Amino acid sequence: DADVTQTPRNRITKTGKRIMLECSQTKGHDRMYWYRQDPGLGLRLIYYSFDVKDINKGEISDGYSVSRQAQAKFSLSLESAIPNQTALYFCATSDPSDSSGANVLTFGAGSRLTVL
Amino acid sequence: KNEVEQSPQNLTAQEGEFITINCSYSVGISALHWLQQHPGGGIVSLFMLSSGKKKHGRLIATINIQEKHSSLHITASHPRDSAVYICAVTHYGGSQGNLIFGKGTKLSVKP
Repeated sequence: DADVTQTPRNRITKTGKRIMLECSQTKGHDRMYWYRQDPGLGLRLIYYSFDVKDINKGEISDGYSVSRQAQAKFSLSLESAIPNQTALYFCATSDPSDSSGANVLTFGAGSRLTVL
Repeated sequence: KNEVEQSPQNLTAQEGEFITINCSYSVGISALHWLQQHPGGGIVSLFMLSSGKKKHGRLIATINIQEKHSSLHITASHPRDSAVYICAVTHYGGSQGNLIFGKGTKLSVKP
């Protein structure tokens, strides 16, 4: 099994629908992230969480919400999807044990979302 | 201006060629990462470095902290190296855990 599992891998939905992307990890990492990737724009941070009680907005959090149900689970929700949220979404975890403060990231395989 | 710039954006090489991808950054960092994104979309971490040089197989990553520049080299390139290579930095003093990503370099290695 993958260290970081995202579901669904692909989803097509309509404008206004509520969508949840789920992420679970077996790495035992406290830190989890949701990123969005758009062609020509690179990866952009939506939300991140350092532990179950810690949720932080990233640079593009508008229109999104998250839930950290457990150390291993971090879900991303689009309450009312719109076409410009069509993108490839990645969940990632990182190892906080590096004393330099730098992280080594482990990514999920990605969830491709299309909003019509 | 982007805080992390990669060059070139696209690179086509013949099998066996030596390849260099460059990354320049404008912020203080605690570490720099090189990631590889396969055509299917998955992203894997290749290197994390804060100084000097690291080598893994045919891949070599270097960083010059004073010049705020890093390079990723691929020796004896192979078609299976075709992927997008992404540079990212852990911003020192920024929100801890927040990385700044470059836009990636798309590499195509022809047989």
